[in-house]
Amino acid sequence: DAGVTQSPTHLIKTRGQQVTLRCSPKSGHDTVSWYQQALGQGPQFIFQYYEEEERQRGNFPDRFSGHQFPNYSSELNVNALLLGDSALYLCASSFLGNLNNEQFFGPGTRLTVL
Amino acid sequence: QKEVEQNSGPLSVPEGAIASLNCTYSDRGSQSFFWYRQYSGKSPELIMFIYSNGDKEDGRFTAQLNKASQYVSLLIRDSQPSDSATYLCAALYGGATNKLIFGTGTLLAVQP
Repeated sequence: DAGVTQSPTHLIKTRGQQVTLRCSPKSGHDTVSWYQQALGQGPQFIFQYYEEEERQRGNFPDRFSGHQFPNYSSELNVNALLLGDSALYLCASSFLGNLNNEQFFGPGTRLTVL
Repeated sequence: QKEVEQNSGPLSVPEGAIASLNCTYSDRGSQSFFWYRQYSGKSPELIMFIYSNGDKEDGRFTAQLNKASQYVSLLIRDSQPSDSATYLCAALYGGATNKLIFGTGTLLAVQP
């Protein structure tokens, strides 16, 4: 049973470019949440997808957008990259019907913006 | 502003001792609380969750919740050098979405 997977592992971009990060949830999970973790900080909630729709987003600008596919996998897109977007991007997988609401993280994508 | 606060540490304990990690939260609407362990350069790994007042034990780990004091803690018994990591406390805010609000984490160093 594969856990949460993310790709790519590392990415280097320059300011102004666009990036797409990908996530596949655990088998049986239907909800994907995205978090940004800057160095020395806790993860910050970006948004959550369920049934191919964005349910809620955190305090992130519209440059951050996402998508969820029928197979529950998800993409995070960031446009017009800024130096401050350099961070570890984490995808968390969960099952909405689980009353305990446990979220399991993938290995993350390390984004560096130069 | 919903917040979760942790002492950043480092918390240094000798091998075999009990490590006590603490967390406070601001929003009384929080339903459940989670402890994640994060090794340097890796992603957070779920250790335990708790949603009822009192203690919850799982192996060497005990989570404690006091909703009246808005306080959550994690005890690690018989600490091992392999427990050295950053421990993240997170509060779950339900309603329309189940998003986690994280603290900044406490760095634990277990000395051999």
